[in-house]
Amino acid sequence: NAGVTQTPKFQVLKTGQSMTLQCAQDMNHEYMSWYRQDPGMGLRLIHYSVGAGITDQGEVPNGYNVSRSTTEDFPLRLLSAAPSQTSVYFCASSQRGNNEQFFGPGTRLTVL
Amino acid sequence: AQKVTQAQTEISVVEKEDVTLDCVYETRDTTYYLFWYKQPPSGELVFLIRRNSFDEQNEISGRYSWNFQKSTSSFNFTITASQVVDSAVYFCALSDITGTASKLTFGTGTRLQVTL
Repeated sequence: NAGVTQTPKFQVLKTGQSMTLQCAQDMNHEYMSWYRQDPGMGLRLIHYSVGAGITDQGEVPNGYNVSRSTTEDFPLRLLSAAPSQTSVYFCASSQRGNNEQFFGPGTRLTVL
Repeated sequence: AQKVTQAQTEISVVEKEDVTLDCVYETRDTTYYLFWYKQPPSGELVFLIRRNSFDEQNEISGRYSWNFQKSTSSFNFTITASQVVDSAVYFCALSDITGTASKLTFGTGTRLQVTL
């Protein structure tokens, strides 16, 4: 039982490049979310999903896309990276009816 | 809109001192959950506690205790006899459970430094 896994752990991009941050969980959780953590701002919700095929926007969705084709995976796509997207990204999952969220180890992204 | 305020940006204490981390929240929901997470220097988020809005009983877990006061919209966290290993950033968070989604609103965190 690996819990919530995220790849890569570190990534450096140039402005304008695109990439996908991977997130997977093996706990059969219905809910999955993406957060970004910036210094002095805590964690902010980017997108979330309540099940396969269903996604919705969080507080800071601009510049990011998500899809949820399976229960296990919830990738986050940066379409055209910008320096403002330099951050640490956390994926989380939780079970319906249980508000405890399990967090992945994070991906540290730098956009030059 | 929901909001969580952690007014203490940084706190420094000497080992064995008690320390309280403050958390004040705003929500229009009558049913909600409050959380505390610890983020040690290694960066992962460690779940500490979840409390629902109907349970105002204080909770103690070892050296950790939590004081939930609905009347003042506060959910404060106290570490008794602090240790160097308690050095971390601590986040308070509020869950929106309207609809079917579970989404967390985080405070900006309090960095706790415990020195010898």
